[in-house]
Amino acid sequence: EVDLVESGGGLVQPGGSLRLSCVASGFTFSRQWMYWVRQVPGKGLVWVSRINSDGSSTTYADSVKGRFTISRDNAKNTLYLQMNSLRAEDTAVYYCARDRGGSYYYIDLWGQGTLVTVSS
Amino acid sequence: DIQMTQSPSSVSASVGDRVTITCRASQGISSWLAWYQQKPGKAPKLLIYAASSLQSGVPSRFSGNGSETNFTLTISSLQPEDFATYYCQQGDRFPLTFGGGTEVEVK
Repeated sequence: EVDLVESGGGLVQPGGSLRLSCVASGFTFSRQWMYWVRQVPGKGLVWVSRINSDGSSTTYADSVKGRFTISRDNAKNTLYLQMNSLRAEDTAVYYCARDRGGSYYYIDLWGQGTLVTVSS
Repeated sequence: DIQMTQSPSSVSASVGDRVTITCRASQGISSWLAWYQQKPGKAPKLLIYAASSLQSGVPSRFSGNGSETNFTLTISSLQPEDFATYYCQQGDRFPLTFGGGTEVEVK
């Protein structure tokens, strides 16, 4: 079965750090671009970051640039998001997501999400 | 960044109704647009990509249309399982951006 399973969310104080993980299964992870997308509960979807298939190229939303780092370990079929200098406004459900492939950028597979709460 | 604006923000409808949701891009994006459905507590699901291509497994009552800056998602005959929130997303360039969402609720 094709699946993405996130972990690593939780409660962290402002200024703290957290690393999210996402384990992929049922498809050839090393061939796919991957994303992180976040959603404040009850609000809309916001793209956070993307990484290409071999991890050599990354892009970030301005709101997280310099604080978050996306990476991947293709041998472990795992995507990561290292989040540093966390702020209250980073509180959200974080989704790991797969690019559909082909031309342009769409998401055809989402994880179940992991909640990150930044609060003192 | 490309801004995506959806309307309406919510629509009340009954089973069997035809529902149309609009998405407008702040600049031309050719046909590089996707539509997603999200139910409470669940991850989004891809319905339509490239403006009008139906994702595998999605019922044919869903259809998409449009190009450049104006797009629509139509549900031809609303089913009970279609009550949800729908988002558009431009797939033309980074940063990827989503519309604010349209909630389809029971009339």
